[in-house]
Order: sequence, then structure tokens, then C-alpha cells
Amino acid sequence: QVHLVQSGAEVKEPGASVKVSCKASGDTFTTSFMNWVRQAPGQGLELMGIINPSGGSTTYGQKFQGRVTMTRDTSTGTVYMELSSLRSEDTAVYYCARSPDVGVFDYWGQGTLVTVSS
Amino acid sequence: QSALTQPASVSGSPGQSITISCTGTSRDVGSYNLVSWYQQHPGKAPKLMIHEVRKRPSGVSNRFSGSKSGNTASLTISGLQAEDEADYYCCSYAGSSTYVVFGGGTKLTVL
Repeated sequence: QVHLVQSGAEVKEPGASVKVSCKASGDTFTTSFMNWVRQAPGQGLELMGIINPSGGSTTYGQKFQGRVTMTRDTSTGTVYMELSSLRSEDTAVYYCARSPDVGVFDYWGQGTLVTVSS
Repeated sequence: QSALTQPASVSGSPGQSITISCTGTSRDVGSYNLVSWYQQHPGKAPKLMIHEVRKRPSGVSNRFSGSKSGNTASLTISGLQAEDEADYYCCSYAGSSTYVVFGGGTKLTVL
């Protein structure tokens, strides 16, 4: 059974950065891609980007290029998502989700609420 | 505006069947059999219900089924139960540059 555990809620001021972590259980860490998906209040799901934990390669959504950085620590089985230059529109729940295959997300973290407010 | 179009809401009575549509284009739904569906209860993370158009992950009730015709995919829930009340999102692979696109979500109400 795969388990993804994310870090806790954050409150940030506009212009700051936030770094969210997602720790994976089991030996799944380097065998599947990991994704970051966000959901603004009352809104739908939006893919931010993907990281291959095995080699560390990343692909970011065009909307987030230049502001998002995804990294991983293979020693702890943890992936990270850092979003910079935060603005109020970035207030959302951020999820990590595993992709065992192209275009499908089979396991999700519990979500991390990031609130951007002055 | 989401890339895939879903109805904002659908409703049905317990025991009935409902179908949620998900309309894309020839660049996503129409080109790949890589449509998935997610159920999301309030305050919870999404849960995978269907992948590759019609495949059910282990543990998902066979009351949930998926299909596709042209640029439109569909999720059918038969024998509606109160616990099915949730938001449902479709998702499609859209090629190596876009990767995936989501629908805007459909709120299912069990009357």
C-alpha cells in the first residue's frame, strides 16, 4: 500500500516563497513519477508539474515556469515543491500524486493548504 | 476555463443510474485512451475511480464504469448510493508538452 504524507498548512505573505514536502512510503519512490496538483478554493484540479524521483528530471506547466521548483531526496523518499513570488491567487490546496503510468494519478497525499495573505 | 467540459451538476435518486460527460478535443480525449476519473468528497483528496477510459482500480465498486466515443468520455454510476455524493473530475492525457488536462468538475447530488 502506498502512502503519501504531506507537510502542514502554511500562511505566507505576498511575494514570499513556500516549500511543501511529500514523503512516500514503501519502495515506490523511484519507480513512479510524482506530480503536484493544486486546487484553489471551490475550483477544479490543475497540474503544476511532474518530477521523476529516479533521476530528478522535471517538467513544469507553462503557467508555473520560472516560479516553481520540484526536487527530491532519495535518501528519505521525499519530493518537494517550492513556489516563489506568491500572490493571493496562489491560495490553494496543493496535492502530491503518484503516476504509475502516463496520465493517471493513483495515490494522493492528504493535501497542504497554502494561504497567501498580507 | 477548464480544458475539458463537464456539466456543473447532476443528480439522481438512490438506486438510479447517472452519467457524467466529459468533452474534449481531438488533441486529448479523441486521441488517447488515457481518460481517468476522480471522486472527491468535501475536504478530502481526489480518489482514482477509472483509468484508461474503462479500467477500475482494485477496490472500486463495479457500479462505476467508463466509456468513450470520439472526443467525449463518460462516467456512469449505477445503483446510486448516498456515499456517491461528491465531486467528479475527468482527466485526459494530452500529449508530451501539455501532459494532462482536467475537467472543471461535476457535483453529484443524491436526492
